[in-house]
Parts: sequence; structure tokens; C-alpha cells
Amino acid sequence: QVQLVASGGGVVQPGGSLRLSCAASRFSFSSYGFHWVRQAPGKGLEWLAFTRYDGTELYHADSVKGRFTISRDNSRSTLYLQMNSLRVEDTAVYYCAKDLRAQYIYYMDVWSKGTTVTVSS
Amino acid sequence: NFILTQPHSVSGSPGKTVTISCTRSSGSFGRSYVHWYQQRPGSSPVIVIYEDTQRASGVPDRFSGSIDSSSTSASLTISGLKTEDEADYYCQSDDGNSVVFGGGTRLTVL
Repeated sequence: QVQLVASGGGVVQPGGSLRLSCAASRFSFSSYGFHWVRQAPGKGLEWLAFTRYDGTELYHADSVKGRFTISRDNSRSTLYLQMNSLRVEDTAVYYCAKDLRAQYIYYMDVWSKGTTVTVSS
Repeated sequence: NFILTQPHSVSGSPGKTVTISCTRSSGSFGRSYVHWYQQRPGSSPVIVIYEDTQRASGVPDRFSGSIDSSSTSASLTISGLKTEDEADYYCQSDDGNSVVFGGGTRLTVL
């Protein structure tokens, strides 16, 4: 069964940094695009970023552009989200999700369980 | 960019039919599809409808998707409601280099 395992969440102070990881297994990681999506407590889904299958095209939501960076290591079948200058409003459950396609945004057919990020002093 | 607007909540009795709308604020869906996700409490989202009308694997045929003739509004219809359908539902589309989610609709099965 295709599996994504997100990790790296925790408690961090405002202004701090955190790197989330998403380990993929049981499918060809390098053949697909991937997303990060978050969900603040009691709120809806918010898309954050997308990477093409080869990492040569990266898209970020305006709300996190310049602070968050998506990346991937196909040799390790792992997706990352580097989060800098964290704010209280970044507190959320973070999901990684596989896109059905390799090169373009389409839809997310596999999701990880979430990893929780809490930004608090 | 555009916004996808969904009703905050809908409800229905077991066996009945409900429809959740997803309205695009500007432009039309034309060149991009609408997809629908179900998120049960405490769980990750799961795709239920893709490409406007296609049911994902394992999704019962009680679930159906549609697009209106002007391609500005999409709908998810669930017939023969069951208690297990109680969840949040999100529509999703894209503009080529970003993903847009609707605000989500809480379905309550009374």
C-alpha cells in the first residue's frame, strides 16, 4: 500500500525554524509531484506548496512565500518543508500529499497523517 | 487568483440526498478540473471525486459530481445518506501554479 509518513512537527517559538519531512514508500517517489497542505485548528485546508517530480519547478502560496521552501530528495524518497520565521498563525496540522501527476498540479490522491506544528512563546 | 465558496454546513436524514455547491469567484473552471475530498473527524482528507465527475476508487456510486453549464459552479451530490458520510467536504481546483481549496462544508447526517 502506498504510504506517506510526515514527521518533524513540534513546538517552536515565534521567529524560529522547523523542517518537516515526508517519507514515501511502496511506490516510485521520483515519478510524482508532491504538495504540502496545512489545517489550522478548527479551520479548513490551506495549500502551501508544490514540487514537480524532479524538483525543477516549485510553487508556493503567497501566505508562505519567502518563509517556507518545499524541496525533495528523490534518492531518499523524501519530501521536505523548510519553515523559517514562524508565526503564531502557522500553528496547524501539516500534511504532505502526492499528486496524481508528475509535472503539473492536478489532485492529491494520497495523503499522509498530519504532523502538528505549534508556534508559541 | 480566484476563491471557491462552499456553504458552511449542510444536513440531511439517513436515506435522503444532499448537494454541496462550490462556486468560483471569477473566471470559469473551463481549463481546470474540480476535485472533491472527504475529511472525517481526526483523519486525513481522502479524494472522493476527481475531474469534476469521476468517482475515486472505492467510493460508492451514491457520490456524484457535476459542473454547471457556465462552468462557474460545481456540485457534490450524496444520495442515500448514511451516518458514515458525516464529514467535512472540500472542493479543489487550480490555476496552473497554485491550488485553491474551498472553505469546506460540514455534512451532518441527522
